[in-house]
Amino acid sequence: EAQVTQNPRYLITVTGKKLTVTCSQNMNHEYMSWYRQDPGLGLRQIYYSMNVEVTDKGDVPEGYKVSRKEKRNFPLILESPSPNQTSLYFCASTRTGTLNYGYTFGSGTRLTVV
Amino acid sequence: DQQVKQNSPSLSVQEGRISILNCDYTNSMFDYFLWYKKYPAEGPTFLISISSIKDKNEDGRFTVFLNKSAKHLSLHIVPSQPGDSAVYFCAASVGLTGGGNKLTFGTGTQLKVEL
Repeated sequence: EAQVTQNPRYLITVTGKKLTVTCSQNMNHEYMSWYRQDPGLGLRQIYYSMNVEVTDKGDVPEGYKVSRKEKRNFPLILESPSPNQTSLYFCASTRTGTLNYGYTFGSGTRLTVV
Repeated sequence: DQQVKQNSPSLSVQEGRISILNCDYTNSMFDYFLWYKKYPAEGPTFLISISSIKDKNEDGRFTVFLNKSAKHLSLHIVPSQPGDSAVYFCAASVGLTGGGNKLTFGTGTQLKVEL
């Protein structure tokens, strides 16, 4: 089954404790992206990657890091999480050059930073 | 600056009637528009799209209309069914097929279809 898999689904952590949210896709997509969803703000792009070793900032990159060492994986790293990073996170992927069928999204990671 | 706006946070419709969800955008460079549907505890799923060279695209019960001069698009669901109850996001991209790949999303509209 074609899918984007995120882990974990739920995470509660404390301020300053480094964490990584993993994302993996099995569709050989070149383009991957991370979004966060917040009430009243919709989905906002954090980082994206056009292909292996090619990453760039989205609209709200502060406090986040990413890496793209393999085509299928695109982890999101919070080196020193803060409460304002409490949010619902989605990883997404698509083929480069076309959005005819839009992104394929993962099921989401609900992160709470206390 | 919210480039894609959905001004109605919620909408309630009776089963069998038409649901109309609206979306406005400010960036005139947007050329490709999509609607996503999101159920609780799931990721958004692609519903329907439209390129700026068209003013209408239809897929079964779902029709998207684009008014480029007004920078406005709408999603019509006819007839509405209880299973359509979800949050709907509109999204926009630069490029006629979204070749730029970045999607800018609206804030979402919660649709509730009542029996």
